[in-house]
Amino acid sequence: GQQVMQIPQYQHVQEGEDFTTYCNSSTTLSNIQWYKQRPGGHPVFLIQLVKSGEVKKQKRLTFQFGEAKKNSSLHITATQTTDVGTYFCAGPGETSGSRLTFGEGTQLTVNP
Amino acid sequence: GAVVSQHPSWVICKSGTSVKIECRSLDFQATTMFWYRQFPKQSLMLMATSNEGSKATYEQGVEKDKFLINHASLTLSTLTVTSAHPEDSSFYICSASRSPGSYNSPLHFGNGTRLTVT
Repeated sequence: GQQVMQIPQYQHVQEGEDFTTYCNSSTTLSNIQWYKQRPGGHPVFLIQLVKSGEVKKQKRLTFQFGEAKKNSSLHITATQTTDVGTYFCAGPGETSGSRLTFGEGTQLTVNP
Repeated sequence: GAVVSQHPSWVICKSGTSVKIECRSLDFQATTMFWYRQFPKQSLMLMATSNEGSKATYEQGVEKDKFLINHASLTLSTLTVTSAHPEDSSFYICSASRSPGSYNSPLHFGNGTRLTVT
């Protein structure tokens, strides 16, 4: 079945440093979605990428979708303590539209 | 504001009892809702897809008789953990999409329910 893999599993950075998490799917995706889950909270939708090679920015966050639509990345420039949380990528299932397969997530901690 | 409401936020129950968790879509009709389970520091694992007016679709390895799902209306799905045991302790999260069946529709998650079985 479809697998969505994410690396690294954990990342500790000093405030101000950059951070990147990578997502790879075993199958081609129609789109990739990114979610953020704060400690003790629930996942919150960040963004969706649809087109091959697409790049989207949200302030200090840059999201990329690979040319083959099988991988994606999230890059945060100059991390802040508010960026703390776990970042998940998710891709739609092969047979059902809204059903998502989530990656394992990257847990980001930011030291002030 | 929140578009999916989940209740209760946390619950502690004794082993052998049943617990019901409610998930409501607040400003849209959700013909499909999804129930996830999350263990500490792990990813979200889809348990089942709740379908309004029909039987839920369970993922492989999820016992349908233990995790009863009812989706009686377009805004409410319930998950009942029957005869709960300590190994059922986990974070249960529901989600729904404004455009079910669309490959490009993001999920809105409830706040989750932290279940502790003693």
